[in-house]
Amino acid sequence: QVQVVESGGGVVQPGGSLRLSCAASGLNFTNYFNWVRQAPGKGLEWVAVISYDGSHKYYADSVKGRFLISRDNSMNTLYLQLNYLRAEDTAVYYCARERDAFDIWGQGTMVTVSS
Amino acid sequence: QAGLTQPPSVSEDLRQTATLTCTGNNNNVGNQGAAWLQQHQGHPPKLLSYRTNTRPSGISERFSASRSGNTASLTITGLQPEDEADYYCSSWDTSLSAWVFGGGTELTVL
Repeated sequence: QVQVVESGGGVVQPGGSLRLSCAASGLNFTNYFNWVRQAPGKGLEWVAVISYDGSHKYYADSVKGRFLISRDNSMNTLYLQLNYLRAEDTAVYYCARERDAFDIWGQGTMVTVSS
Repeated sequence: QAGLTQPPSVSEDLRQTATLTCTGNNNNVGNQGAAWLQQHQGHPPKLLSYRTNTRPSGISERFSASRSGNTASLTITGLQPEDEADYYCSSWDTSLSAWVFGGGTELTVL
């Protein structure tokens, strides 16, 4: 069964950190992978992308310098390190495989930034 | 990063045809095309089309996409109640080196 499963979300105080994980199974992990988030009641916002070998990484301006995307191909796992979190980072974070477009999505993991 | 422009809402009658639009510029939709995603409340998005007009396996032929210049369109024929959802377009922006999304269109089937 082809799937990606996100984990690691939770409640964190402003200025805090979290690490999200995305475990892929049933698919070839040799693709670009992305993180996309969705604030409560809002639309989709792209966060970051990483190439297969990790040599190319791009970030949305809103998270540049605070978030770090990485991957472990031996574990078929994608990561997103979230630092210096702000209230506006509160959202469901989705992991999405990229093959010309975002063709496989996980169920998402909720990150809430609140004091 | 500037996003793509979609109308916030579209309403159309059951069994009729709805056309959703998505406007970008020469750095994204105009040269990269657009993909369309459907999202039902409480669920992750689902890919409906990519490379402007290619449907993934399992997607109904009632969904078809096209592009004219910097505007992409998604046409849904024979509207069904289950088509009520939010629809998003996306495209890679070569100038920003970033993916951009539209703000989403809420489709209501009357």
